[in-house]
Amino acid sequence: DAGVIQSPRHEVTEMGQEVTLRCKPISGHDYLFWYRQTMMRGLELLIYFNNNVPIDDSGMPEDRFSAKMPNASFSTLKIQPSEPRDSAVYFCASSLAGGLANTQYFGPGTRLTVL
Amino acid sequence: QKEVEQDPGPLSVPEGAIVSLNCTYSNSAFQYFMWYRQYSRKGPELLMYTYSSGNKEDGRFTAQVDKSSKYISLFIRDSQPSDSATYLCAMRAGGTSYGKLTFGQGTILTVHP
Repeated sequence: DAGVIQSPRHEVTEMGQEVTLRCKPISGHDYLFWYRQTMMRGLELLIYFNNNVPIDDSGMPEDRFSAKMPNASFSTLKIQPSEPRDSAVYFCASSLAGGLANTQYFGPGTRLTVL
Repeated sequence: QKEVEQDPGPLSVPEGAIVSLNCTYSNSAFQYFMWYRQYSRKGPELLMYTYSSGNKEDGRFTAQVDKSSKYISLFIRDSQPSDSATYLCAMRAGGTSYGKLTFGQGTILTVHP
Protein backbone atom coordinates (compact mmCIF):
# COMPACT_ATOMS: atom_id res chain seq x y z
CA ASP A 1 0.00 0.00 0.00
CA ALA A 2 1.33 3.43 -0.92
CA GLY A 3 0.10 5.06 2.28
CA VAL A 4 -1.37 8.54 2.41
CA ILE A 5 -0.16 10.63 -0.49
CA GLN A 6 0.15 14.40 -0.32
CA SER A 7 1.11 16.94 -2.93
CA PRO A 8 2.96 19.11 -3.30
CA ARG A 9 5.64 18.26 -0.73
CA HIS A 10 6.87 21.83 -0.66
CA GLU A 11 5.11 25.03 -1.63
CA VAL A 12 6.50 28.54 -1.59
CA THR A 13 4.11 31.32 -2.48
CA GLU A 14 3.61 35.00 -1.99
CA MET A 15 1.13 36.61 0.32
CA GLY A 16 -2.28 36.94 -1.28
CA GLN A 17 -1.93 33.96 -3.58
CA GLU A 18 -4.23 30.96 -3.55
CA VAL A 19 -2.75 27.70 -2.29
CA THR A 20 -4.24 24.26 -2.86
CA LEU A 21 -2.98 21.21 -0.98
CA ARG A 22 -3.97 17.74 -2.09
CA CYS A 23 -4.40 14.43 -0.35
CA LYS A 24 -5.10 10.86 -1.38
CA PRO A 25 -6.07 8.71 1.62
CA ILE A 26 -5.37 5.02 2.03
CA SER A 27 -7.81 3.03 -0.03
CA GLY A 28 -10.77 1.83 2.01
CA HIS A 29 -10.32 4.31 4.84
CA ASP A 30 -13.48 6.23 5.72
CA TYR A 31 -12.03 9.05 7.83
CA LEU A 32 -9.81 11.84 6.54
CA PHE A 33 -8.15 14.52 8.65
CA TRP A 34 -6.31 17.74 7.88
CA TYR A 35 -3.78 19.01 10.45
CA ARG A 36 -1.44 21.94 10.67
CA GLN A 37 1.85 21.75 12.59
CA THR A 38 3.98 24.65 13.78
CA MET A 39 6.65 24.95 16.44
CA MET A 40 4.54 27.36 18.43
CA ARG A 41 1.18 25.60 18.33
CA GLY A 42 2.11 21.97 17.70
CA LEU A 43 -0.23 19.70 15.73
CA GLU A 44 -3.70 21.17 15.31
CA LEU A 45 -6.71 19.46 13.78
CA LEU A 46 -8.28 21.69 11.15
CA ILE A 47 -11.13 19.56 9.82
CA TYR A 48 -12.12 15.95 9.40
CA PHE A 49 -14.43 14.01 7.12
CA ASN A 50 -16.30 10.77 7.50
CA ASN A 51 -17.43 9.09 4.29
CA ASN A 52 -16.63 12.31 2.41
CA VAL A 53 -18.86 14.43 4.69
CA PRO A 54 -17.28 17.15 6.85
CA ILE A 55 -17.90 16.28 10.50
CA ASP A 56 -16.00 18.91 12.46
CA ASP A 57 -14.46 22.04 10.98
CA SER A 58 -14.11 23.92 14.25
CA GLY A 59 -10.35 23.98 13.87
CA MET A 60 -10.39 25.85 10.56
CA PRO A 61 -8.79 29.15 11.52
CA GLU A 62 -10.91 31.46 9.38
CA ASP A 63 -12.88 31.82 6.19
CA ARG A 64 -9.73 31.92 4.12
CA PHE A 65 -9.45 28.16 4.68
CA SER A 66 -11.73 25.66 2.95
CA ALA A 67 -11.60 21.91 2.50
CA LYS A 68 -13.43 19.54 0.20
CA MET A 69 -13.66 15.82 -0.29
CA PRO A 70 -15.42 15.18 -3.61
CA ASN A 71 -14.87 11.43 -3.43
CA ALA A 72 -13.38 8.75 -1.21
CA SER A 73 -9.93 8.99 -2.74
CA PHE A 74 -9.26 12.71 -2.91
CA SER A 75 -9.37 15.79 -0.70
CA THR A 76 -8.16 19.36 -1.00
CA LEU A 77 -7.34 22.08 1.48
CA LYS A 78 -7.41 25.55 -0.01
CA ILE A 79 -6.13 28.82 1.44
CA GLN A 80 -7.27 31.98 -0.30
CA PRO A 81 -5.75 34.50 0.16
CA SER A 82 -2.65 33.13 1.84
CA GLU A 83 -0.82 35.03 4.58
CA PRO A 84 2.68 34.63 6.09
CA ARG A 85 1.16 33.28 9.32
CA ASP A 86 -0.19 30.33 7.35
CA SER A 87 3.37 29.05 6.95
CA ALA A 88 3.42 25.58 8.50
CA VAL A 89 3.53 21.89 7.67
CA TYR A 90 0.12 20.60 6.68
CA PHE A 91 -0.58 16.92 7.22
CA CYS A 92 -3.34 14.76 5.88
CA ALA A 93 -4.22 11.55 7.72
CA SER A 94 -6.72 8.79 7.19
CA SER A 95 -8.19 6.05 9.35
CA LEU A 96 -10.61 3.18 9.27
CA ALA A 97 -13.55 3.03 11.67
CA GLY A 98 -13.09 0.06 13.93
CA GLY A 99 -9.41 -0.21 13.20
CA LEU A 100 -6.92 -0.58 16.05
CA ALA A 101 -7.25 2.53 18.21
CA ASN A 102 -8.77 4.16 15.15
CA THR A 103 -5.16 4.56 14.11
CA GLN A 104 -4.59 7.59 12.00
CA TYR A 105 -2.05 7.14 9.24
CA PHE A 106 -0.30 10.34 8.33
CA GLY A 107 1.05 11.45 5.01
CA PRO A 108 4.51 13.00 4.61
CA GLY A 109 3.12 16.53 4.86
CA THR A 110 3.24 19.66 2.72
CA ARG A 111 5.67 22.30 3.90
CA LEU A 112 4.08 25.67 3.07
CA THR A 113 6.00 28.92 3.11
CA VAL A 114 4.12 32.15 2.48
CA LEU A 115 6.41 35.10 1.82
CA GLN B 1 -5.33 26.47 29.11
CA LYS B 2 -4.71 23.73 26.57
CA GLU B 3 -6.63 20.48 26.93
CA VAL B 4 -3.38 18.52 26.71
CA GLU B 5 -0.08 19.77 28.12
CA GLN B 6 3.27 18.27 27.16
CA ASP B 7 6.74 19.59 27.90
CA PRO B 8 8.39 20.23 24.52
CA GLY B 9 11.87 19.61 25.91
CA PRO B 10 14.23 19.18 24.22
CA LEU B 11 15.40 16.10 26.08
CA SER B 12 18.88 14.73 25.50
CA VAL B 13 20.00 11.41 27.01
CA PRO B 14 22.89 8.98 26.53
CA GLU B 15 22.35 5.67 24.80
CA GLY B 16 21.02 3.05 27.20
CA ALA B 17 19.22 5.52 29.47
CA ILE B 18 15.62 5.16 30.58
CA VAL B 19 13.48 7.92 29.13
CA SER B 20 10.28 9.20 30.70
CA LEU B 21 7.86 11.31 28.66
CA ASN B 22 4.69 12.73 30.16
CA CYS B 23 1.44 14.51 29.38
CA THR B 24 -1.31 15.94 31.52
CA TYR B 25 -4.83 16.64 30.38
CA SER B 26 -7.90 18.42 31.64
CA ASN B 27 -10.79 16.77 29.77
CA SER B 28 -12.16 13.94 31.89
CA ALA B 29 -14.01 12.60 28.85
CA PHE B 30 -10.78 11.33 27.31
CA GLN B 31 -10.77 7.53 27.31
CA TYR B 32 -8.28 6.55 24.59
CA PHE B 33 -4.62 7.45 24.92
CA MET B 34 -1.92 7.16 22.32
CA TRP B 35 1.70 7.96 21.73
CA TYR B 36 2.87 8.91 18.27
CA ARG B 37 6.48 9.12 17.14
CA GLN B 38 7.52 11.62 14.51
CA TYR B 39 10.90 11.50 12.84
CA SER B 40 12.32 14.66 11.34
CA ARG B 41 10.45 15.75 8.20
CA LYS B 42 8.04 12.82 8.43
CA GLY B 43 4.44 12.40 9.50
CA PRO B 44 3.61 11.05 12.96
CA GLU B 45 3.13 7.29 13.33
CA LEU B 46 1.31 5.41 16.08
CA LEU B 47 3.66 3.91 18.65
CA MET B 48 1.46 2.85 21.58
CA TYR B 49 -2.24 2.78 22.38
CA THR B 50 -3.99 2.39 25.74
CA TYR B 51 -7.62 2.38 26.66
CA SER B 52 -8.59 3.82 30.07
CA SER B 53 -6.19 3.41 33.01
CA GLY B 54 -3.34 0.96 33.39
CA ASN B 55 -0.06 -0.07 31.85
CA LYS B 56 0.82 -1.50 28.47
CA GLU B 57 4.18 -2.84 27.46
CA ASP B 58 5.59 -3.40 24.00
CA GLY B 59 9.23 -4.34 23.85
CA ARG B 60 11.29 -1.45 25.24
CA PHE B 61 8.23 0.80 25.47
CA THR B 62 5.75 1.06 28.34
CA ALA B 63 2.71 3.32 28.34
CA GLN B 64 0.98 4.25 31.61
CA VAL B 65 -2.33 5.99 32.13
CA ASP B 66 -3.54 7.39 35.46
CA LYS B 67 -7.01 8.77 34.83
CA SER B 68 -7.48 9.84 38.45
CA SER B 69 -4.53 12.21 38.06
CA LYS B 70 -5.18 12.91 34.38
CA TYR B 71 -1.61 11.96 33.63
CA ILE B 72 -0.06 9.68 31.03
CA SER B 73 3.52 8.54 30.56
CA LEU B 74 5.69 6.76 28.05
CA PHE B 75 8.84 5.00 29.23
CA ILE B 76 11.61 3.92 26.89
CA ARG B 77 14.10 1.42 28.28
CA ASP B 78 17.61 0.95 26.90
CA SER B 79 17.16 3.96 24.65
CA GLN B 80 18.85 3.87 21.24
CA PRO B 81 19.98 6.62 18.86
CA SER B 82 17.22 5.41 16.53
CA ASP B 83 14.70 6.51 19.18
CA SER B 84 15.66 10.13 18.51
CA ALA B 85 12.41 11.75 17.36
CA THR B 86 9.54 13.90 18.55
CA TYR B 87 7.03 12.04 20.71
CA LEU B 88 3.46 13.27 20.75
CA CYS B 89 0.78 12.16 23.14
CA ALA B 90 -2.74 12.06 21.77
CA MET B 91 -6.10 11.30 23.25
CA ARG B 92 -9.77 11.22 22.45
CA ALA B 93 -13.13 10.81 24.08
CA GLY B 94 -15.47 7.97 23.31
CA GLY B 95 -18.88 8.11 21.71
CA THR B 96 -19.56 10.56 18.90
CA SER B 97 -16.08 12.08 18.94
CA TYR B 98 -14.91 8.91 17.29
CA GLY B 99 -12.38 10.44 14.97
CA LYS B 100 -11.09 13.51 16.74
CA LEU B 101 -7.71 13.31 18.45
CA THR B 102 -6.23 16.04 20.61
CA PHE B 103 -2.43 16.12 20.51
CA GLY B 104 0.14 17.38 22.95
CA GLN B 105 2.84 19.79 21.81
CA GLY B 106 5.35 16.98 21.37
CA THR B 107 8.66 16.33 23.18
CA ILE B 108 11.86 16.38 21.15
CA LEU B 109 14.11 13.51 22.22
CA THR B 110 17.73 13.01 21.25
CA VAL B 111 19.60 9.85 22.24
CA HIS B 112 23.32 10.29 21.72
CA PRO B 113 25.76 7.38 21.35
